[in-house]
Amino acid sequence: DIQMTQSPSSLSTSVGDRVTISCRASQSVDTYLNWYQQKPGKPPRLLVSDASTLQGGVPSRFTGSGSGTDFTLTISSLQAEDFATYYCQQSYRSPRTFGQGTRLEIK
Amino acid sequence: QVQLQQWGAGLLKPSETLSLTCGVYGGSLSGYYWSWIRQPPGKGLEWIGEMNQSGSTNYNASLKSRVTFWVDTSKNQFSLKVTSVTAADTAVYYCARQKIALGRPFDYWGQGTLVTVSS
Repeated sequence: DIQMTQSPSSLSTSVGDRVTISCRASQSVDTYLNWYQQKPGKPPRLLVSDASTLQGGVPSRFTGSGSGTDFTLTISSLQAEDFATYYCQQSYRSPRTFGQGTRLEIK
Repeated sequence: QVQLQQWGAGLLKPSETLSLTCGVYGGSLSGYYWSWIRQPPGKGLEWIGEMNQSGSTNYNASLKSRVTFWVDTSKNQFSLKVTSVTAADTAVYYCARQKIALGRPFDYWGQGTLVTVSS
């Protein structure tokens, strides 16, 4: 199985901060890497597919990058509605696997 | 607009069988993989497996011996069964859609069903 490791596991941040979340795969997943946002009591929401393709309706402050084994999700200027947990997920091989999540908390 | 609506029993005793169904509204089963994903309370996401419209399945090896999927094309819905549940199966269970093509993400999700296993 492809293991996905995110860092950090949690981050205390403030509105307006620039935030970078990292995701590392245990083997290459090409660019088949997706990012999801999850708020309490809700299902995950797809933000970015194919490492860098922003989904419709997702604000442009979100940027995904990377290929192979190393990926990042950057939020250029954190807004109040961005406080949530973020997951990366590889869709290259079965079983589909997720990172353990990065929780953004208000400082 | 595609919507996934899921339902099923939320409280089970150990050794019972978990059964959930996901209805697909505003879209077709054809051309997609339909997955089940679970999330234990306060923890991360675990993919259980997927199936397509013709009933072809792919299960996560970690649960394969206890999991069955099936599809009802006449009702545009698909279902999950997990046998011999234990407390470790307590989780929110989600259904999700993934286009049949290399590397597609889960683009639509059900609302989630909390299944609690307790004696």
